[in-house]
Amino acid sequence: GENVEQHPSTLSVQEGDSAVIKCTYSDSASNYFPWYKQELGKRPQLIIDIRSNVGEKKDQRIAVTLNKTAKHFSLHITETQPEDSAVYFCAASNLEYSGGGADGLTFGKGTHLIIQP
Amino acid sequence: DARVTQTPRDKVTEMGQEVTMRCQPILGHNTVFWYRQTMMQGLELLAYFRNRAPLDDSGMPKDRFSAEMPDATLATLKIQPSEPRDSAVYFCASGLVTGDYQETQYFGPGTRLLVL
Repeated sequence: GENVEQHPSTLSVQEGDSAVIKCTYSDSASNYFPWYKQELGKRPQLIIDIRSNVGEKKDQRIAVTLNKTAKHFSLHITETQPEDSAVYFCAASNLEYSGGGADGLTFGKGTHLIIQP
Repeated sequence: DARVTQTPRDKVTEMGQEVTMRCQPILGHNTVFWYRQTMMQGLELLAYFRNRAPLDDSGMPKDRFSAEMPDATLATLKIQPSEPRDSAVYFCASGLVTGDYQETQYFGPGTRLLVL
C-alpha cells in the first residue's frame, strides 16, 4: 500500500516569511496529492491539490509542486499570516476509477505550523 | 454551502458498549469514506463506499467494527463492543466520481469518541 512521509513535524516561522512543507510517497500509481489544513478541534479542509499531470499549481499565497520522478511534493506558503497557524496534512491517492480502482487518501503525519508575530 | 454532517459530535461511553456514528454525505456525492484520527496514528482510512457498495474496509478491525450505507443519504460506522483504544475522532468524507476520476473529498466535522 501507499506510504506518505511528511517533514517537518513542527515548523515555526516569522510572520511574513515563507513556509515549506515536504512530503514523499511510495506508490508510483498515486496520481492525486491534496493538502489539508486542520485547525484545533476542526475538520480537515482542502486548501490546494495537484494531479500528476501537472508539476506546479498556485492559488494566491499557496503553491504546490510535484516531482513525479523523485516521488515528492511540497507545499509553499508565502507571506505567512497568523491565521496560517494550523496543522497541515499532505495526502496521496490513486484517483483513476475504472470500475473500482480509486483509493481513499493516505495521509502524512502532519506538520504543526506556528507563525510567530 | 453544502457540507457533510456527522452525529453525534461527541460521545462518551463505557468499555463494552455499542457505539453508532452517522454521516450524511453531500447531496449527490456517490463516494463516502470513514477516517479515524488519533495523536499516535494520525489520519487513517477505515473504509469507503461507492454507490453504497463497500469497496475497501481493509483498514478497519473486522471483529468489532462495521460500516454500512443503508441509503444514499446515510452512512453508519458501528463499534461493538467498544474498547478504550477506540477513543479517537472519526471523520466521514464524501466525494463524487465523474467520468474516470474521483473528485475532491470533503470532510465532516467529526465524532469525538471517548471510551472509558
